[in-house]
Amino acid sequence: QSVLTQPPSVSGAPGQRVTISCTGSSSNIGAGYDVHWYQQLPGTAPKLLIYGNSNRPSGVPDRFSGSKSGTSASLAITGLQAEDEADYYCQSYDSSLREVFGGGTKLTVL
Amino acid sequence: EVQLVESGGGLVKPGGSLRLSCAASGFTFSSYSMNWVRQAPGKGLEWVSSISSSSSYIYYADSVKGRFTISRDNAKNSLYLQMNSLRAEDTAVYYCARDAEWASPAAGIEYYFDYWGQGTLVTVSS
Repeated sequence: QSVLTQPPSVSGAPGQRVTISCTGSSSNIGAGYDVHWYQQLPGTAPKLLIYGNSNRPSGVPDRFSGSKSGTSASLAITGLQAEDEADYYCQSYDSSLREVFGGGTKLTVL
Repeated sequence: EVQLVESGGGLVKPGGSLRLSCAASGFTFSSYSMNWVRQAPGKGLEWVSSISSSSSYIYYADSVKGRFTISRDNAKNSLYLQMNSLRAEDTAVYYCARDAEWASPAAGIEYYFDYWGQGTLVTVSS
């Protein structure tokens, strides 16, 4: 059971918009700690996608965006492409456990 | 170009030991905190341990505390994870990951993982 809760799977057709939620608690996201997102393509290592809730590292397309409100955060992907099919993980800091991850969300592009 | 290359994984019996290494290049290793993050087969990511740039601060997940030891050699640009008393549930791909600082307006300095290695597989089985 992960400290941060993500839906196990989401799907969308090419060109569509999908969102992935990440729900925490008062000891992590709700305590003001920020959320970071990683993309893991099949068979590869995770890659940083979003840091500090909504900031994109250089090279990450602006189709990817993040937001945070209260005890939750969201990752949005617009203009869905086949190459976006991957697992997505949120990460934050917990005052008791230190670094914590969500359980991951598998994105399927239909 | 930042590169992190893990090595040392393999098959080990329950109760056994293994030492993982992570060779870093392309950045000033001695200026960054580093981490080990693992991923059990078909499962999600789990933070394992972190070490500050000068080894002054070391932290472990409860699941490995007392069994694993993180260390680093800044002269060799290398990060290590000594794993003792291994259990079946330690079976995972182990990634080393670099810490990046984030100045959170609400929570002060936070960290995220900006670069990851390709991982090394540790299998604990009899």
